[in-house]
Amino acid sequence: DAGVIQSPRHEVTEMGQEVTLRCKPISGHDYLFWYRQTMMRGLELLIYFNNNVPIDDSGMPEDRFSAKMPNASFSTLKIQPSEPRDSAVYFCASSPDRPYEQYFGPGTRLTVT
Amino acid sequence: AQSVTQLGSHVSVSEGALVLLRCNYSSSVPPYLFWYVQYPNQGLQLLLKYTSAATLVKGINGFEAEFKKSETSFHLTKPSAHMSDAAEYFCAVRRASGTYKYIFGTGTRLKVLA
Repeated sequence: DAGVIQSPRHEVTEMGQEVTLRCKPISGHDYLFWYRQTMMRGLELLIYFNNNVPIDDSGMPEDRFSAKMPNASFSTLKIQPSEPRDSAVYFCASSPDRPYEQYFGPGTRLTVT
Repeated sequence: AQSVTQLGSHVSVSEGALVLLRCNYSSSVPPYLFWYVQYPNQGLQLLLKYTSAATLVKGINGFEAEFKKSETSFHLTKPSAHMSDAAEYFCAVRRASGTYKYIFGTGTRLKVLA
């Protein structure tokens, strides 16, 4: 398997623009997680899905953030409008039915100017 | 509520020396515990996990960790450091039942000196 695929790997945008991050989980994995990593706050769980259904979105910072999983092989994290404080590395991870192991993607480095 | 504390944001060891990275957890219910490694510009990779079986857990690359309930610790060790071990290491905890929410520590950056 190719592992968890994220796109784009790097995104530079201006404040106020919409940003969409994409993730393709490993085939057969039932759980998908979105994380944000910053120097100040470390690795934070934003939201996770089970069988395409959002289970816990308590980590989503505010209404500007939204995540969807329309099918088992694709998820998006959208920020609208983006702000400089959203600059971070965003990771997607997936895990099988017994999620004792998360498999992380390479991350998307987002810079909002 | 659960939490993880990693003591020491930076650790330096000489090549060939013992590696010891500390992790203490807080959990009101039986936990599952994990160590992940992150190399520069990459995602996290699982090193090892404790899921209520053997308390001494062996992982990849010669690493191991011991779950000590009385000390609420899950320290990561490796007998002999290699230059390729230089990376950032994260300890994580989640409940053994219920939510699949993982809580990560703040990370320890390991430097290996030649």
